[in-house]
Amino acid sequence: QVQLVESGGGVVQPGRSLRLSCAASGFTFSIYGMHWVRQAPGKGLEWVALISYDGSNKYYADSVKGRFTISRDNSKNTLYLQMNSLRVEDTAVYYCAKDRWAVVGPTTYFDYWGQGTLVTVSS
Amino acid sequence: DIQMTQSPSSLSASVGERVTITCRASQSISNYLNWYQQKPGKAPNLLIYAASSLQSGVPSRFSGSASGTDFTLTISSLQPEDFATYYCQQSYSTPLLTFGGGTKVEIK
Repeated sequence: QVQLVESGGGVVQPGRSLRLSCAASGFTFSIYGMHWVRQAPGKGLEWVALISYDGSNKYYADSVKGRFTISRDNSKNTLYLQMNSLRVEDTAVYYCAKDRWAVVGPTTYFDYWGQGTLVTVSS
Repeated sequence: DIQMTQSPSSLSASVGERVTITCRASQSISNYLNWYQQKPGKAPNLLIYAASSLQSGVPSRFSGSASGTDFTLTISSLQPEDFATYYCQQSYSTPLLTFGGGTKVEIK
């Protein structure tokens, strides 16, 4: 069965960096787009970033553009999120989510999610 | 950016009741609307995609519909396991995806 397992969360000071990982199994990782979605404590869901199946296309929410970088290693079935210049408002549970399709378009949706990893940005 | 407005933000209902949640888009998004259920401390779970298609394994008491820029998630007979928060999400403006603010369904 499909499994997505995030890791790398923790407590970090404002301005510092953190890298999240998402280990995928149970499906052919290399043929699907992948996303990061976050949820601040007690708040709703916010899409963060998307990477195409081959890593050639990457997209970001305005709130993280220029600070976060999404990447993937298809040989390791792993998705990453490099987070730099972290802010207090980046505090959230970060979920990786599998896209239904290889080439993401308007019919896209998240068909599987990981359990999330908590990132706390605090001095 | 496309804004998604859900209503109500919360509701109380009894087991067996019919529940309706609405999501309104700030512009036309065709049928590119998905619904997710999230229970406390858990990841969201896909219920409905493309406005009205039921995801495999989701009980048939869940259904979705669309009328213009208004979308509805209906639970025909609320069950104890359905108490959760529900989110709509538009994919029309992919790759810039946006969610509604959520509707929390609580026990009356």
